[in-house]
Amino acid sequence: GAVVSQHPSRVICKSGTSVKIECRSLDFQATTMFWYRQFPKQSLMLMATSNEGSKATYEQGVEKDKFLINHASLTLSTLTVTSAHPEDSSFYICSASRSRGLNQPQHFGDGTRLSIL
Amino acid sequence: AQKVTQAQTEISVVEKEDVTLDCVYETRDTTYYLFWYKQPPSGELVFLIRRNSFDEQNEISGRYSWNFQKSTSSFNFTITASQVVDSAVYFCALSANAGNMLTFGGGTRLMVKP
Repeated sequence: GAVVSQHPSRVICKSGTSVKIECRSLDFQATTMFWYRQFPKQSLMLMATSNEGSKATYEQGVEKDKFLINHASLTLSTLTVTSAHPEDSSFYICSASRSRGLNQPQHFGDGTRLSIL
Repeated sequence: AQKVTQAQTEISVVEKEDVTLDCVYETRDTTYYLFWYKQPPSGELVFLIRRNSFDEQNEISGRYSWNFQKSTSSFNFTITASQVVDSAVYFCALSANAGNMLTFGGGTRLMVKP
């Protein structure tokens, strides 16, 4: 159990395009979802935490207007990279958990490789 | 604040060698969880282990073993008789009293050569 599906797995698009990435919990209800960004040969950096039905909490330095997060249901969160530019090219990974409780593990999607030309 | 340090950025071994990946953590919380994940070249994160701060027993799973020592704030990971398929980046992570937010270490890239 605890399967998280992330779609698409890879996106290549032109500069200025907005890109939407979906993160779905397939077999459990996810009150909380997390979005990470990973540059080549670097670690995962938390971008934001989203709770179902409320606004996302962004980490310092992450532009809210650039990275729009919606968590409208207990099984789906979306990350939209608005007007993407080459510097937004990165690997984006989502995770989902049943709650924010310490004993609730995060279940990760397989990631989305975003390339902006 | 939480911090996880993986001092080894890259390790290269020959197949069948044993290899230990180091992880040192910092937290002021008394209740926390420690994790190890494997990230193969395809990019997905593969969960390996989760350890509660109150459970210092070492764990063995096949060729993998973990040594948790609170006295030195370390949670090291050993692969015995390494194989080429073990080549990946390995991340150590910590979640503490602030909830289940994860703090990741910088990762260790393991290359196992035939």
